[in-house]
Amino acid sequence: DVVMTQSPLSLSVTLGQPASISCRSSQSPLYRDGSTFLNWFQQRPGQSPRRLIYNVSNRGSGVPDRFSGSGSGTDFTLKISRVEAEDVGVYYCMQGTPWPPYVFGQGTKLEIK
Amino acid sequence: QVELQQSGPGLVEPSQTLSLTCDISGDSVSSNSAAWSWIRQSPSRGLEWLGRTYFYQSKWNYEYAVSVKSRIIINPDTSRNHFSLQLSSVTPEDTAIYYCARDRTYDLDSWGQGTLVTVSS
Repeated sequence: DVVMTQSPLSLSVTLGQPASISCRSSQSPLYRDGSTFLNWFQQRPGQSPRRLIYNVSNRGSGVPDRFSGSGSGTDFTLKISRVEAEDVGVYYCMQGTPWPPYVFGQGTKLEIK
Repeated sequence: QVELQQSGPGLVEPSQTLSLTCDISGDSVSSNSAAWSWIRQSPSRGLEWLGRTYFYQSKWNYEYAVSVKSRIIINPDTSRNHFSLQLSSVTPEDTAIYYCARDRTYDLDSWGQGTLVTVSS
């Protein structure tokens, strides 16, 4: 089965400073149609996961532009250009393919320094 | 904008069947551009996808994770525009927060509020 490995597992960032989270997959999420089904989610304390990024680099509706996704092959990155207080939570990467779908990383906890 | 509202008991006895429902507003369970998934979250397993259903080529399709395939049923209900999860023969290891979600081509773009289900006598 696919294994998603995130690093770091925890991150302490000063307000206004950038943050970066890495996600490595044991198998490429590249689909036969050329799409790469790699998503990023944010889970604030006490809330459901919220999808931030889909297909590596596309921001979801209402997601601030300080969030960006990049990567290819088996290595992907989520970046926050300037961390705000509301960004506190746990961030997950998720691979959509190959089967079985929807394998999640173990999560990266972001806190404010 | 789609909204997913979950309902169901928060306590299930061991060996019994866990049952949850996810009501859909702003979309249709029989949409030809969406699937409907259940995911759970626990400290020991993290986020774990359980299965999904979708309507395609004039029939309902079901896909389940290997880990629960022998115990899970996901049922769509077009008259009520919702879908349900049944997980049988539960043990304390099935204690988790359960989420329903909409799936737009391998993209879980909308999630329900979550239901904490505890398996205990």
